[in-house]
Amino acid sequence: AQSVTQLDSQVPVFEEAPVELRCNYSSSVSVYLFWYVQYPNQGLQLLLKYLSGSTLVESINGFEAEFNKSQTSFHLRKPSVHISDTAEYFCAVSDLRTRGSYIPTFGRGTSLIVHP
Amino acid sequence: DSGVTQTPKHLITATGQRVTLRCSPRSGDLSVYWYQQSLDQGLQFLIQYYNGEERAKGNILERFSAQQFPDLHSELNLSSLELGDSALYFCASSLNPHYEQYFGPGTRLTVT
Repeated sequence: AQSVTQLDSQVPVFEEAPVELRCNYSSSVSVYLFWYVQYPNQGLQLLLKYLSGSTLVESINGFEAEFNKSQTSFHLRKPSVHISDTAEYFCAVSDLRTRGSYIPTFGRGTSLIVHP
Repeated sequence: DSGVTQTPKHLITATGQRVTLRCSPRSGDLSVYWYQQSLDQGLQFLIQYYNGEERAKGNILERFSAQQFPDLHSELNLSSLELGDSALYFCASSLNPHYEQYFGPGTRLTVT
């Protein structure tokens, strides 16, 4: 069975500092990987995804994540954070289940807190 | 705006009662997922439908049931409610089951 571990439940950081949110997964089959962001009182929004191809994927707002198959990791990074990046971040992994459905497994989330 | 709508936004009910949560997926999306989010359990996958057919079940209790209708909207029925069922319930949709999901704003259920 697949699982996702987000190693930090909370990451405090100062504005304009770099940040890395860590995600490790375990799965016996090929996977698709996702990062979602949840702002207060809202649903989750897709931040970026890895399906195939280049192992480095980027979002439109400056985040990037690198798929590392040997280390089964998909860490999220941003070189300079803003106050508006304060949110909950979820890593998700999908593998193949019965009848061709990819069921996502979500990590417990990492709360990114950006201080001025 | 993700294009996924959920009603109601808030629901307060008593233990033992039954409620129905409704979800309309993004236009064109055939897959609908239901999730429960609580502080102690995190985000839990409940059930998935694809074009009206149940595709996968997660940690869904027997007291809970769902269906997807021909117009692709979905309903999640929660019965014999307990205090521990208080949570945020999200619906999400996707074009294909293995692609990214688009989440609705959620229904906050409070059981008193």
